[in-house]
Amino acid sequence: GQNIDQPTEMTATEGAIVQINCTYQTSGFNGLFWYQQHAGEAPTFLSYNVLDGLEEKGRFSSFLSRSKGYSYLLLKELQMKDSASYLCGAPINDYKLSFGAGTTVTVRA
Amino acid sequence: NAGVMQNPRHLVRRRGQEARLRCSPMKGHSHVYWYRQLPEEGLKFMVYLQKENIIDESGMPKERFSAEFPKEGPSILRIQQVVRGDSAAYFCASSPTSGDHYNEQFFGPGTRLTVL
Repeated sequence: GQNIDQPTEMTATEGAIVQINCTYQTSGFNGLFWYQQHAGEAPTFLSYNVLDGLEEKGRFSSFLSRSKGYSYLLLKELQMKDSASYLCGAPINDYKLSFGAGTTVTVRA
Repeated sequence: NAGVMQNPRHLVRRRGQEARLRCSPMKGHSHVYWYRQLPEEGLKFMVYLQKENIIDESGMPKERFSAEFPKEGPSILRIQQVVRGDSAAYFCASSPTSGDHYNEQFFGPGTRLTVL
């Protein structure tokens, strides 16, 4: 099975950097992904890491360490529109996704 | 290219009634997944369907819940004799294929079911 943990809430100031950590324990590793979900909306895909290291996509970066069972999502130059829930998760197999409870990020002016 | 569509967006039912949730996958997608999100909890996998086939329903309660994805028309998640504990957001996702590796799933806006 999968056990995925991430903080419940984080608050940061506009323009700042926030790092959302995620630890996982899986019976088999098939990668680690991040989704963004604004309140009342659909989750949208942000990133998928299979290999160790940092992957950067504009203001968002995702890091993975398979040996440590650890990932983080880094949000730079925070904007008000980044206020959302960020879901860490792992595929159990090639179609079943297991999610953490999500981290609600609040960006303050 | 329209995204995943779900309707209704909000559904209110009284205990004992039936709820029918509809999902139209993205154009060209033949794989549909249903997830449930309870307040303060993560998305939980319920069922995976391909056209006319249920591939994996291991996350779906054995009673009262059923799902289908007919050859024509949307996928339907049906909840019979709803109870208050069924109140949640139900999300549908679709993907073009399911293969040897993870394929990005595109989520719909969800249906928020409230059982009175």
